[in-house]
Amino acid sequence: DGGITQSPKYLFRKEGQNVTLSCEQNLNHDAMYWYRQDPGQGLRLIYYSQIVNDFQKGDIAEGYSVSREKKESFPLTVTSAQKNPTAFYLCASSMGALYSGNTIYFGEGSWLTVV
Amino acid sequence: DAKTTQPTSMDCAEGRAANLPCNHSTISGNEYVYWYRQIHSQGPQYIIHGLKNNETNEMASLIITEDRKSSTLILPHATLRDTAVYYCIVRDTSGGSYIPTFGRGTSLIVHP
Repeated sequence: DGGITQSPKYLFRKEGQNVTLSCEQNLNHDAMYWYRQDPGQGLRLIYYSQIVNDFQKGDIAEGYSVSREKKESFPLTVTSAQKNPTAFYLCASSMGALYSGNTIYFGEGSWLTVV
Repeated sequence: DAKTTQPTSMDCAEGRAANLPCNHSTISGNEYVYWYRQIHSQGPQYIIHGLKNNETNEMASLIITEDRKSSTLILPHATLRDTAVYYCIVRDTSGGSYIPTFGRGTSLIVHP
C-alpha cells in the first residue's frame, strides 16, 4: 500500500536517552514534516524538509534533530535535551512545499513516553 | 499562529447534516482552505480543499463565502464514525513555503 509509515507506534524512553522515530513514505513526495501533538492540543511543527539533504527548523525544534539522506525517509531523533518529550509525534509529506495547492498526508503517529 | 478560528466543540445527531464553520478573515487571494479530521490517536486525514468555488467529494462538501473570509464543511449524513477533531487550515506564507499550521480544531461529537 502507498502511504506514510511511522514506527514504532509506541516507544518508551528513559531519562537521558536519545530515541529515533522512523518515517518512511513511498508517495514520491518531495517535502516531509514532523509535528508534535500534546493531549487536547493542536499540532506544532518541529522540522520540515523540502528536498533531500536540506531541512529547516519549525516552531519547536529545540531538543530534536532530523536527517534527510533519502527522499523517502525523514527520521526524527528526540535527544536528551528535550525536557518534556512525552507526546504524540506525527510525520507528514506533500508533493512539494512551495505551492499552496499541495495536499499534506499524515502517518498514523508514534506515541513517545518518558519513564 | 493559526490563521483560522473554529468553535471548540459541536455535536450532531446521527443521520443529520453536520455543518462545521471556520473563519479565515485574513486569507489572501491565492491561499487555499483545507479541511482535515483526526480520530483519536490517529494521524489527521485529508477531507477536502478549495480556493474560491464550492467543492464536493465522497466525504464532504466545502462551502466558501464569496468574500472567502469564512467557509463551512458539511458532512451530509453524519455517522458515529465521524466523531473526530476537524481542522480548518490555510496556507502559512512563512518563508514563502506552504507550512501547514494546525490549531485546536473543532471536536465534533455525533450522537445516536
